[in-house]
Amino acid sequence: NAGVTQTPKFQVLKTGQSMTLQCAQDMNHNSMYWYRQDPGMGLRLIYYSASEGTTDKGEVPNGYNVSRLNKREFSLRLESAAPSQTSVYFCASRVGPEAFFGQGTRLTVV
Amino acid sequence: AQSVTQLGSHVSVSEGALVLLRCNYSSSVPPYLFWYVQYPNQGLQLLLKYTTGATLVKGINGFEAEFKKSETSFHLTKPSAHMSDAAEYFCAVSGALFNKFYFGSGTKLNVKP
Repeated sequence: NAGVTQTPKFQVLKTGQSMTLQCAQDMNHNSMYWYRQDPGMGLRLIYYSASEGTTDKGEVPNGYNVSRLNKREFSLRLESAAPSQTSVYFCASRVGPEAFFGQGTRLTVV
Repeated sequence: AQSVTQLGSHVSVSEGALVLLRCNYSSSVPPYLFWYVQYPNQGLQLLLKYTTGATLVKGINGFEAEFKKSETSFHLTKPSAHMSDAAEYFCAVSGALFNKFYFGSGTKLNVKP
C-alpha cells in the first residue's frame, strides 16, 4: 500500500522556470492538500481540494496553481519559480480527522 | 479562525527524563487537535489525535496528550525519553469539517545520552 506518493523528491530550478509537482494517493480519499514547510514556520497550507473537481486557496497561494486531475491525483504548479519558493513541499490526503503525508519534495530555486 | 502556538522551538532532555512539549491553540469552533512527528528527511506521521470523548489521549511510542479546554492547551508528554524520540514535533488544529489543518511552528526534540 503506497499511501501518498510525491514526485520528484528533489528538484533544482532556475528563477523563472516552471515545473509541476505531482501527488497521488491510493487510499480513495476525497480531500487532498499541498503544504510548504520552512524552518521555524511549520507547515503552511498552499491549496486544498475537498473533492474531485474543487480546489480552494490556503494561507499562501500566491505563485502557485493546482489541478485536481481525478480523485487520486493533485498537482501543484509553479509557473515562474522565485527564490522565495525554495522550500520542502508536502502533499497530504485525509479521511475523517486524520491526514496522511507524502515524503516531501525538496525544491531549490536559484 | 484557528491557530496554534508551540512554546520552545528546541527542547533538550536526557535519555530517561520526562518529555514535555507545549501546545496552545485558539479556535472559534470546537477543536480537533493533533500531534505529528517528523523524522529527518521524512514526511509527517500522526502520533495522536483528540476529536471527542476522553481528554487524555494516548498515542504511539508511549506519548500522550491531554486536552484542557480551560487552558486551551494540548501538551504532549512521555514519561521517559528514548534516543529514538529525537525528531521534530508539530501540533495541529482543525475544525469539525476538517477542511483545513493549521500547524504550529514545530519543536525539535533533542535527547542526550
